[in-house]
Amino acid sequence: GDQVEQSPSALSLHEGTGSALRCNFTTTMRAVQWFRKNSRGSLINLFYLASGTKENGRLKSAFDSKERYSTLHIRDAQLEDSGTYFCAALVTSGGNYKPTFGKGTSLVVHP
Amino acid sequence: GALVYQYPRRTICKSGTSMRMECQAVGFQATSVAWYRQSPQKTFELIALSTVNSAIKYEQNFTQEKFPISHPNLSFSSMTVLNAYLEDRGLYLCGARDHGANSDYTFGSGTRLLVI
Repeated sequence: GDQVEQSPSALSLHEGTGSALRCNFTTTMRAVQWFRKNSRGSLINLFYLASGTKENGRLKSAFDSKERYSTLHIRDAQLEDSGTYFCAALVTSGGNYKPTFGKGTSLVVHP
Repeated sequence: GALVYQYPRRTICKSGTSMRMECQAVGFQATSVAWYRQSPQKTFELIALSTVNSAIKYEQNFTQEKFPISHPNLSFSSMTVLNAYLEDRGLYLCGARDHGANSDYTFGSGTRLLVI
């Protein structure tokens, strides 16, 4: 089965509101990364966490390896936040880190 | 900053032919390179994980015979899709990582392959 379960698959927000994306893991992950796919198709790195929380502007992410989940909180959503967000969990593989992606969350921010 | 360039951005090949795609890391050492395929309606499937000067580890359902990968130095990797068919179409993504402590993966924009 899937090692990374990302939810929700789609999210609609009005400008100025907020919500949270979540990734649950079926096994212990070494670290997690969150990305946003921009209009050109590039994966923009938002966060890398090996533990704890990080905040950058209106985004905040948390990672709990023991409880096997990570979250990405968006507050005061803006139109330019629209896009597809992915989490990628890094599992240890033969001394290396192997990223396993969630299926993505398609976010649409409405005026 | 760390950047990864992939080329070509888009390509079309005839069914049964082969297509080579390249991945260039700039601003950091690409000790590990991970190649993915995103098929239509699917998430990113890992094809293989390569560590420079070490063996390339392929995931289940992907083989070296079909997706040979080269990772000759700390800035470059290439992958070829041999004998491409319709089911091979999709976005091929490479991500690279420096083996420094707490180092994340940086991804390119992908090579979109269309098979006709």
